Amino acid sequence: DAGVTQTPRHEVAEKGQTIILKCEPVSGHNDLFWYRQTKIQGLELLSYFRSKSLMEDGGAFKDRFKAEMLNSSFSTLKIQPTEPKDSAVYLCASSSDWGYEQYFGPGTRLTVL
Amino acid sequence: GDQVEQSPSALSLHEGTGSALRCNFTTTMRAVQWFRKNSRGSLINLFYLASGTKENGRLKSAFDSKERYSTLHIRDAQLEDSGTYFCAAEADSGYNKLTFGKGTVLLVSP
Repeated sequence: DAGVTQTPRHEVAEKGQTIILKCEPVSGHNDLFWYRQTKIQGLELLSYFRSKSLMEDGGAFKDRFKAEMLNSSFSTLKIQPTEPKDSAVYLCASSSDWGYEQYFGPGTRLTVL
Repeated sequence: GDQVEQSPSALSLHEGTGSALRCNFTTTMRAVQWFRKNSRGSLINLFYLASGTKENGRLKSAFDSKERYSTLHIRDAQLEDSGTYFCAAEADSGYNKLTFGKGTVLLVSP
């Protein structure tokens, strides 16, 4: 039974580049979340989808961050253009429905030079 | 301010002893989830509670929505319990997004 998968596991980008992170939720899950984790801010919500519809786009992160969910089994998070302050671990999580626990992927560690 | 305040930020235990981690919430939360980050950086689910208490081995968690807190108790700590623990809570808003605490770094020593 596959959990949440994320690719790549590590990404190094130059300032100003476009990067795309990928996530596959647990099969059958309706809710998908993107989080960013830094040592200073901890875990912050970037985007939240329910049944492929964007429910929340993380306010302060709207500027250069765009999450999409083109089908129920795949989501992407695009950061364009990247800045050094974007260096963090990006986590994807999924949940079967409202009121159920979230399952997390292993994360993508992004380093922006 | 932060909606989820987790304490302590760091904790040192000797093998065989126990302690508790706590999360206080500034608003009413519908449910709480506790995680441990494993060596690969993945967040491993420990507990999910909408109320009451749950126990799993040497871990026990409690959640009181009315009093706005949750705890994670560790007893008979083992070396392999070392790691970073997070609580995360769902606001009572109809969506099940999580707001995370800053984490507790637990070090268990011989």
